[in-house]
Amino acid sequence: AQKITQTQPGMFVQEKEAVTLDCTYDTSDQSYGLFWYKQPSSGEMIFLIYQGSYDEQNATEGRYSLNFQKARKSANLVISASQLGDSAMYFCAMREVGPAGTASKLTFGTGTRLQVTL
Amino acid sequence: NAGVTQTPKFQVLKTGQSMTLQCAQDMNHEYMSWYRQDPGMGLRLIHYSVGAGITDQGEVPNGYNVSRSTTEDFPLRLLSAAPSQTSVYFCASSYVGISYEQYFGPGTRLTVT
Repeated sequence: AQKITQTQPGMFVQEKEAVTLDCTYDTSDQSYGLFWYKQPSSGEMIFLIYQGSYDEQNATEGRYSLNFQKARKSANLVISASQLGDSAMYFCAMREVGPAGTASKLTFGTGTRLQVTL
Repeated sequence: NAGVTQTPKFQVLKTGQSMTLQCAQDMNHEYMSWYRQDPGMGLRLIHYSVGAGITDQGEVPNGYNVSRSTTEDFPLRLLSAAPSQTSVYFCASSYVGISYEQYFGPGTRLTVT
């Protein structure tokens, strides 16, 4: 079963509008971390935002916020006031506790390609 | 402040050749990992390590070997390259703990003919 599901292969948004990128996850652990990364066309992986499973508040970082709904196992990324430079691939990922309490694997979704238009 | 470095940036191999992709980090991170990225499939974990002398398999380990003799270095060896290993390879590192983001290297684009 897919641990991380991103159902939107591609999205379009107009400049200055807000956009939501969907992410659902599957885990039986109580403790886990959720991450969003951006990959521009240049190829590097850029960390955007983190949400812990025990965090009661939704994470925010500048124009990025994470809409965390634990019961629904969703961790959607909201980008406000989109800019042309936001055009990129966006990956949702989850990190679970591994053996002996150490951090184990970071599992990625298949990504959403966001295109910001004028 | 180098972060995570990978060499080479590009490589072309013939089927059956072997090679090592190098990865180094200068942040004293215990956790290091290798991913491959193929179109439409996101990043898939090949191998990872939680410290020197400790490695484990990820989702797609076949055809790859790793070792971790120092905290800084985590090389990935392709034993006998196959066209199915054509991909972009990323090395990443972080502190151990679910709240720490992974820092990624710039990637190696490998083509196997």
